[in-house]
Amino acid sequence: GQQLNQSPQSMFIQEGEDVSMNCTSSSIFNTWLWYKQDPGEGPVLLIALYKAGELTSNGRLTAQFGITRKDSFLNISASIPSDVGIYFCAGQTYSGAGSYQLTFGKGTKLSVIP
Amino acid sequence: NAGVTQTPKFQVLKTGQSMTLQCAQDMNHNSMYWYRQDPGMGLRLIYYSASEGTTDKGEVPNGYNVSRLNKREFSLRLESAAPSQTSVYFCASKLDWGTGELFFGEGSRLTVL
Repeated sequence: GQQLNQSPQSMFIQEGEDVSMNCTSSSIFNTWLWYKQDPGEGPVLLIALYKAGELTSNGRLTAQFGITRKDSFLNISASIPSDVGIYFCAGQTYSGAGSYQLTFGKGTKLSVIP
Repeated sequence: NAGVTQTPKFQVLKTGQSMTLQCAQDMNHNSMYWYRQDPGMGLRLIYYSASEGTTDKGEVPNGYNVSRLNKREFSLRLESAAPSQTSVYFCASKLDWGTGELFFGEGSRLTVL
């Protein structure tokens, strides 16, 4: 099946620093999604990307859909303590006959040091 | 707004016992999903229901069964629990089987001894 390589697996950063994480794959995706999971909660959608090359921002978050459609990155600027959590990328493809497949990366665990 | 509600939130089972995880959504979504989350493995799809009346296997269906009881409810059953099924289980829903936001429940933490 399709696989996403998400990196880094974990990060420890100082409050105020910028963060960058990415997902790569050998497969082409039609949609890239970025989710955040707070401790003890379910993942929540942060940003959705629908076109190759698309750059989208949501507050301090910026994500891009790679031009090759095989990768995406997420940047967080000026990190704050509440940014702590696990960030997941997910790629979606159309499998035919009305079927869509969503594949998740293994997550990037972010820790912010005040 | 409740969104996606899962019960129970925590459960401990002995090997061989059976149990059902319940999920309900109040967003009038057509598609519902069950994922499991294990350390370092991300989210893996167990079963999904693209619409009421249909269910299909996902990436890791072995040892599980599902029932789409109605449009709101989608349950996951472990007939004979095994330690390998110790995990956090997430139910999710989406408006339709296609592009769109996937909404997750808060998770059910299951331990099989």
